[in-house]
Amino acid sequence: NAGVTQTPKFQVLKTGQSMTLQCAQDMNHNSMYWYRQDPGMGLRLIYYSASEGTTDKGEVPNGYNVSRLNKREFSLRLESAAPSQTSVYFCASSEFTEAFFGQGTRLTVV
Amino acid sequence: AQSVTQLGSHVSVSEGALVLLRCNYSSSVPPYLFWYVQYPNQGLQLLLKYTTGATLVKGINGFEAEFKKSETSFHLTKPSAHMSDAAEYFCAVIHRGSNYKLTFGKGTLLTVNP
Repeated sequence: NAGVTQTPKFQVLKTGQSMTLQCAQDMNHNSMYWYRQDPGMGLRLIYYSASEGTTDKGEVPNGYNVSRLNKREFSLRLESAAPSQTSVYFCASSEFTEAFFGQGTRLTVV
Repeated sequence: AQSVTQLGSHVSVSEGALVLLRCNYSSSVPPYLFWYVQYPNQGLQLLLKYTTGATLVKGINGFEAEFKKSETSFHLTKPSAHMSDAAEYFCAVIHRGSNYKLTFGKGTLLTVNP
């Protein structure tokens, strides 16, 4: 039982490059999330998906896009990375009384 | 608006002292409530959760939390702090009246002094 799997674990990008962070869950959860974590700012919601095919902006969506192509997978895309997007990114899934997190992706944009 | 408030971004205690981390929520319907712990450079680990039933919930590592509906609170406690408890703690809720959406507090950094 893998839970929530995020890839990659570490990434260094140059400013202007693009990349996609992948997230998959095997718990049949409807809701999935992308958060970023920066020192002293807690977890800030980037995007949220309540179910397959639906997405909603969170607190800090600018510079990001997401895709929820199926129930298992929720990807986060940076089209043109900026140094301000240097952060640790967490994917999560939840269903009623359960919420689980991936191990995080540490992204550095230089 | 539904929200989660953690009072105190930084709490410092001595080893052996009581740990009290505060969490209040705002919701028209009592939510499901969670506490997560994050050790340095690691992911989030579930400490405990309240869904229904007994309002005093026991979790891992000697932590417990009590759901108080009248106070809209879910404070986390541990009778005696250990050095290994130093970490960041997040309170979270799943709002039953809003697509069962997960919402986090801003976190409380716990420091344990020898």
